[in-house]
Amino acid sequence: GESVGLHLPTLSVQEGDNSIINCAYSNSASDYFIWYKQESGKGPQFIIDIRSNMDKRQGQRVTVLLNKTVKHLSLQIAATQPGDSAVYFCAERGAVKSGAGSYQLTFGKGTKLSVIP
Amino acid sequence: SAVISQKPSRDICQRGTSLTIQCQVDSQVTMMFWYRQQPGQSLTLIATANQGSEATYESGFVIDKFPISRPNLTFSTLTVSNMSPEDSSIYLCSVLNSGAPEYFGPGTRLTVT
Repeated sequence: GESVGLHLPTLSVQEGDNSIINCAYSNSASDYFIWYKQESGKGPQFIIDIRSNMDKRQGQRVTVLLNKTVKHLSLQIAATQPGDSAVYFCAERGAVKSGAGSYQLTFGKGTKLSVIP
Repeated sequence: SAVISQKPSRDICQRGTSLTIQCQVDSQVTMMFWYRQQPGQSLTLIATANQGSEATYESGFVIDKFPISRPNLTFSTLTVSNMSPEDSSIYLCSVLNSGAPEYFGPGTRLTVT
């Protein structure tokens, strides 16, 4: 099937700096993208999502950018804090179709973000 | 967002036995899913739990190994049958309503010895 991958498996940033986590996707038919944060011992936590008809969406301290031309997705975290240390996953969903797998998310491999105090 | 709980939170089981994992949501949801996350890996979808009918399994997963029930719109179970050490993973349920993101439960950490 189509794959979603990440450019960097690990990222270390100084507390207070901005973090950028990148994700490449290969399914040009994907119309929905989502970022999750997973802390050790916990389930994935929703951060922010974006639909393919947008190229930018902002949340609290986070921004997701979507470049459909190069099939690239990024998560920007402003003023990174120690509590942001976690593994971050991007995921994509193809255009909704009938039958099994209509709403299936395909996950990337994950990037571990470490915040240096 | 929906509040999702899973039971048990963790377990250590002997090979050859089976474990049933429960997923409870505090509100009715349209769709429920089960994922596996092997140590240090990403998430892989096992199946979509369908209310009142057989689950829809992804490639590489079969009903005999991972039977799933979904008796109503707030509850689902996943059974890991005839376990082997390779089944040691985190098992996660998730829920989805139209127009909302997919939310995950806290996971069940399974170790098979």
